Amino acid sequence: GAVVSQHPSRVICKSGTSVKIECRSLDFQATTMFWYRQFPKQSLMLMATSNEGSKATYEQGVEKDKFLINHASLTLSTLTVTSAHPEDSSFYICSATDRKRNNYGYTFGSGTRLTVV
Amino acid sequence: GDSVTQMEGPVTLSEEAFLTINCTYTATGYPSLFWYVQYPGEGLQLLLKATKADDKGSNKGFEATYRKETTSFHLEKGSVQVSDSAVYFCALSAGAAGNKLTFGGGTRVLVKP
Repeated sequence: GAVVSQHPSRVICKSGTSVKIECRSLDFQATTMFWYRQFPKQSLMLMATSNEGSKATYEQGVEKDKFLINHASLTLSTLTVTSAHPEDSSFYICSATDRKRNNYGYTFGSGTRLTVV
Repeated sequence: GDSVTQMEGPVTLSEEAFLTINCTYTATGYPSLFWYVQYPGEGLQLLLKATKADDKGSNKGFEATYRKETTSFHLEKGSVQVSDSAVYFCALSAGAAGNKLTFGGGTRVLVKP
């Protein structure tokens, strides 16, 4: 079945540094990628939606200059947390779909646990 | 806007007990409905889905029926196992395939031997 590989699974970084999270679709074309953030014991909060080759659409309250999303190819999307601060510590999850298949299939990555110290 | 409401957990059960997790939704039109499961430290896995009214999704002994009249998509399993311990999320996608998912708050299920 469809697989999305998300890396790294865990990362610890110092305040002020940037961290890049990658999501790759391994056996399908990810025309659309969704990036979520999940706080402990809470639901997923959609941060942004990106379509291949286009700028990402950010949800209200999400800083686009802080959370940079790139979706330059049909198999790779990246989320870069810039100038990270402790409050950015969270679990980040990507989800990909191929709109051309029109089958309501969403494949999730395994998540990235970010800790900013 | 679209929203999903599901029962709060945690739900604690004994092995072989019957599990029900209620889920109701609010959406314009006729959304597609999903149940996802999340194991500790992992992403989400699709458990089942239904794309139109009266459809029944089923997988691994879990079932849910899309009830338009009650705007519900309750998850059920007749006999749970310890391995079913996880967090379950109800979600909807409104409009065309590939639109964003709107999630409920999640329900933590703990099955004890």
